[in-house]
Amino acid sequence: KAGVTQTPRYLIKTRGQQVTLSCSPISGHRSVSWYQQTPGQGLQFLFEYFSETQRNKGNFPGRFSGRQFSNSRSEMNVSTLELGDSALYLCASSTTVMNTEAFFGQGTRLTVV
Amino acid sequence: AQTVTQSQPEMSVQEAETVTLSCTYDTSESDYYLFWYKQPPSRQMILVIRQEAYKQQNATENRFSVNFQKAAKSFSLKISDSQLGDAAMYFCASTPRGGGADGLTFGKGTHLIIQP
Repeated sequence: KAGVTQTPRYLIKTRGQQVTLSCSPISGHRSVSWYQQTPGQGLQFLFEYFSETQRNKGNFPGRFSGRQFSNSRSEMNVSTLELGDSALYLCASSTTVMNTEAFFGQGTRLTVV
Repeated sequence: AQTVTQSQPEMSVQEAETVTLSCTYDTSESDYYLFWYKQPPSRQMILVIRQEAYKQQNATENRFSVNFQKAAKSFSLKISDSQLGDAAMYFCASTPRGGGADGLTFGKGTHLIIQP
């Protein structure tokens, strides 16, 4: 059974640009959550999608958005990139809501220059 | 809202020895889950062990076990017979049963070093 796949693994963008990250959950998993990991703030919850609907959203500005497709794959988008958006972005999937066993991908390392 | 605190930024242990990582949490929820995740240099978060708060029995997974003290809101991880492959960042996390508005709440992590 394939694990959670995140693409791309590494990304370098310039301030002001926008970026889209992709996450393919484990087959059969309907919930996908996104987290931002930085040395200063640690792991912070961005949002959770379940059956194509955003279920919860963390305390991030509106520049951070996401969506989920009918096959449960999810994308997150960050517009007008800032230097502070440089981070490891982790995606996690689970069968239902994110409370029992979440499986994480290897993350996308975003560097904003 | 939940908070998770890991007071040990770094721990070091000799190979084959036992080490305990500390975690305290705070929550207003009556039912919740607690987790320990491992993040090796590959960056992938790997679930080590899970504890359901309503279960009094401490969870165990092979060499990994927890000491869950609900009244004290403490959830420590014990690693027995430490191996070089255990070297990683370890994160304690919590979430209410049914999922919370804040997803998984993580502590800042403990960097575990295994001395050969």
